[in-house]
Amino acid sequence: GAVVSQHPSRVICKSGTSVKIECRSLDFQATTMFWYRQFPKQSLMLMATSNEGSKATYEQGVEKDKFLINHASLTLSTLTVTSAHPEDSSFYICSGGRGGAIREQFFGPGTRLTVL
Amino acid sequence: DQQVKQNSPSLSVQEGRISILNCDYTNSMFDYFLWYKKYPAEGPTFLISISSIKDKNEDGRFTVFLNKSAKHLSLHIVPSQPGDSAVYFCAARLTDSWGKLQFGAGTQVVVTP
Repeated sequence: GAVVSQHPSRVICKSGTSVKIECRSLDFQATTMFWYRQFPKQSLMLMATSNEGSKATYEQGVEKDKFLINHASLTLSTLTVTSAHPEDSSFYICSGGRGGAIREQFFGPGTRLTVL
Repeated sequence: DQQVKQNSPSLSVQEGRISILNCDYTNSMFDYFLWYKKYPAEGPTFLISISSIKDKNEDGRFTVFLNKSAKHLSLHIVPSQPGDSAVYFCAARLTDSWGKLQFGAGTQVVVTP
């Protein structure tokens, strides 16, 4: 159990376009979902935390107008990279947590975004 | 400000031997620590965790040790197997942070035959 999927797994887009990434918890209800990005050979950096039905909380330095997060239901969260630029190229990973005192996060397989 | 540090970017170990991965942290408000394993182009997979009130947790071939006074934890894998070759991340959770994790930079483990 505790499977998280992401779609698409890989996307290439032109500079200036917007890209939407979906994160779904397949067999549990994720009260909280987290979005991370990872640059090559670096750690996972938390971008934002979203709770179902409320606005996402962004980490310092993350532009909320650029990275739009919607957590419409307990099984779906979306990240939209608006007006993407080459520096937004990265590996984006979501995770879902369950329960009030989240002890464990279940990670999706990640989405490789390349902006030309 | 990197509060979780993995100072060894890589580790090579022979099959059957013990792998020891280290992690240091600076924030005494972390109350839960986790180890994740990650293959390229995949999401991290949970391995083992430990609460700050414990000093050891064991699960099969994996054991995590926590030394709170030294703000240090380690992951022992014994015996190491070729399938263990991956990047291992140490992560820590702040008390009352709704599960937000801070990750170390990772250690690339290569298990050789």
